[in-house]
Amino acid sequence: ETGVTQTPRHLVMGMTNKKSLKCEQHLGHNAMYWYKQSAKKPLELMFVYSLEERVENNSVPSRFSPECPNSSHLFLHLHTLQPEDSALYLCASSQVGTSGGDEQFFGPGTRLTVL
Amino acid sequence: LAKTTQPISMDSYEGQEVNITCSHNNIATNDYITWYQQFPSQGPRFIIQGYKTKVTNEVASLFIPADRKSSTLSLPRVSLSDTAVYYCLVGSYSGAGSYQLTFGKGTKLSVIP
Repeated sequence: ETGVTQTPRHLVMGMTNKKSLKCEQHLGHNAMYWYKQSAKKPLELMFVYSLEERVENNSVPSRFSPECPNSSHLFLHLHTLQPEDSALYLCASSQVGTSGGDEQFFGPGTRLTVL
Repeated sequence: LAKTTQPISMDSYEGQEVNITCSHNNIATNDYITWYQQFPSQGPRFIIQGYKTKVTNEVASLFIPADRKSSTLSLPRVSLSDTAVYYCLVGSYSGAGSYQLTFGKGTKLSVIP
């Protein structure tokens, strides 16, 4: 596998289910990200794990819970979601230094549908 | 947080040069400007990044004026395969554990034969 992979690619779940999205990067990067992309809305940064620090968007509901066990793997745990959480969830990784910009490499995304 | 504004859509004929402008009036000193391309049902793909003046790579050029309050992505001689949504991203890693990454709403470019 190369680049950034995400599983599953598609997920349908009920509002009472618990599921997890998985992301793996094979690029040796030190930062990983979760984004949400809803129809006709801008890409929304949800969480960042960078240099072993976690940064989160305060507008993200607590029913989304990230986990980053190491620099190559990232999970997004989902529980008691709402239909409005249906969206494309994108994972990305990058190599960051102490300052400046960085190029993010995105995975193909997980299309989530909440019934 | 820097906010960005882009045209919602643009049309162009094949072979023409396309310029897409992004406004980011509140850009911070440490912010870089990055452009991504996204096809349907795929993750965004990096195109180009710059801090000031002009940057050119094999697929695009990025023009940034001295005040850095806007930037223009230039795609030379577009083809049908360039039909996609283009996102302008302004942000930086501040080094203090805080990210400021704001994507624009994207510009849907349609290339016409």
